[in-house]
Amino acid sequence: QQPVQSPQAVILREGEDAVINCSSSKALYSVHWYRQKHGEAPVFLMILLKGGEQKGHEKISASFNEKKQQSSLYLTASQLSYSGTYFCGTESFGSRLTFGEGTQLTVNP
Amino acid sequence: EAGVVQSPRYKIIEKKQPVAFWCNPISGHNTLYWYLQNLGQGPELLIRYENEEAVDDSQLPKDRFSAERLKGVDSTLKIQPAELGDSAVYLCASSLEGRSGEAFFGQGTRLTVV
Repeated sequence: QQPVQSPQAVILREGEDAVINCSSSKALYSVHWYRQKHGEAPVFLMILLKGGEQKGHEKISASFNEKKQQSSLYLTASQLSYSGTYFCGTESFGSRLTFGEGTQLTVNP
Repeated sequence: EAGVVQSPRYKIIEKKQPVAFWCNPISGHNTLYWYLQNLGQGPELLIRYENEEAVDDSQLPKDRFSAERLKGVDSTLKIQPAELGDSAVYLCASSLEGRSGEAFFGQGTRLTVV
C-alpha cells in the first residue's frame, strides 16, 4: 500500500528549514528516502530500519516512529541544491518497497 | 566507477509496435530493479532480480511485458505490443545489499507511445 507524504509541495527561502512527513497504514520494516531533480534519476538519501539503524548522508537527518508507522525527513538550513522532489518508500514485512507520490521542494534565493 | 547505464534515453513508437529497453547495472550489484514512473508519481516496481532470478514480478503485466537478465548482469525489458498508456519513464536500478540497501538509479528511458 502506497505511503502518504505531506506536504505535497513546499517553497522555502535559502537557509530556512523544512520537514517532510511520510506515513503508512501498515507496520513498517524500513523507510527509504530519495530525492529526484527534474529529468534526472532519483538519488539515495537515507534508509531507516526497524530497530533504529540508519544508513545515509551526514547532512540529512530523519526519524522513524515505528509505533506510529511514520517517518520525517529534516532539511535544515536549506540550500538551492536541495530543490527537487522527495520520495519516501516504505517496506513492510513480506511486501515490496512502495514509493509515495512525492513532495516537491523549491528553494529560492 | 560507472553508474547504472540505460539505453535508449528517449523512444517514440506507434501503438502496437514492440520496444525494448536495456540496462547495465553497477558492477557487482546482484539486485536489479525495473521501475515505471508516471509524470508526477513515485516509481512503481515492475520486477526485481536477485542475480538472474526474478524474485518479484507480481506487478509486471505479463501479457505484454517481459524481462530477462541473462548471466545475472545486464537486463532487457520488452513491451509487445505497446499501448498508449505505456507512455512513462522506465527506470532501472541496482543494489549491492538487496532490497533493503541503497539503490542506484539509471537516467531512465522516456517512452512515448503515439
